[in-house]
Amino acid sequence: EAGVTQSPTHLIKTRGQQATLRCSPISGHTSVYWYQQALGLGLQFLLWYDEGEERNRGNFPPRFSGRQFPNYSSELNVNALELEDSALYLCASSLAGTVFFGPGTRLTVL
Amino acid sequence: KNQVEQSPQSLIILEGKNCTLQCNYTVSPFSNLRWYKQDTGRGPVSLTIMTFSENTKSNGRYTATLDADTKQSSLHITASQLSDSASYICVVRANTGNQFYFGTGTSLTVIP
Repeated sequence: EAGVTQSPTHLIKTRGQQATLRCSPISGHTSVYWYQQALGLGLQFLLWYDEGEERNRGNFPPRFSGRQFPNYSSELNVNALELEDSALYLCASSLAGTVFFGPGTRLTVL
Repeated sequence: KNQVEQSPQSLIILEGKNCTLQCNYTVSPFSNLRWYKQDTGRGPVSLTIMTFSENTKSNGRYTATLDADTKQSSLHITASQLSDSASYICVVRANTGNQFYFGTGTSLTVIP
């Protein structure tokens, strides 16, 4: 069974640009979570999607947004990138009480 | 407010020594608690899962404990190895919906 996949692995952008990160959950998993992990800091909750709807949102500005598609895959969009957005972005999916993480997308903002 | 707090934030130990990481939570109603290990630049991987009725569970040199009354969990690492250097994340699932609460992790560095 394939795990949670994320793309791209690495992404380099400049300030002010927009970034799109993608996540495919494990087959059958309906919930997708997005986290930001800046260097030296812990996991910071971004967004939770379930059955195509946003269920919860962390303490991040509106330029962080996303969506979940009918096949349960998800996109995270970050607009007007700032230097401090540089981080590892982790996606996780869950079903029946178990969470599985993807390998992450390393976003670097120059 | 449902929260998960981990301590210490970072820890440096000598190879071969033991260490204990702490996780305190206020999540209610409680369903289960997982410890994850995250190697640098990679996604977290599950180490153990603890349910309400379990108070100790081992996975090799890793032993997790859970005190559901005090809402505390610990992860004890025995005879540490250099490969144990990683972040350790505590995740608590609420018993309502599919909501998970994540600690910010403990960064462990094992030095020779």
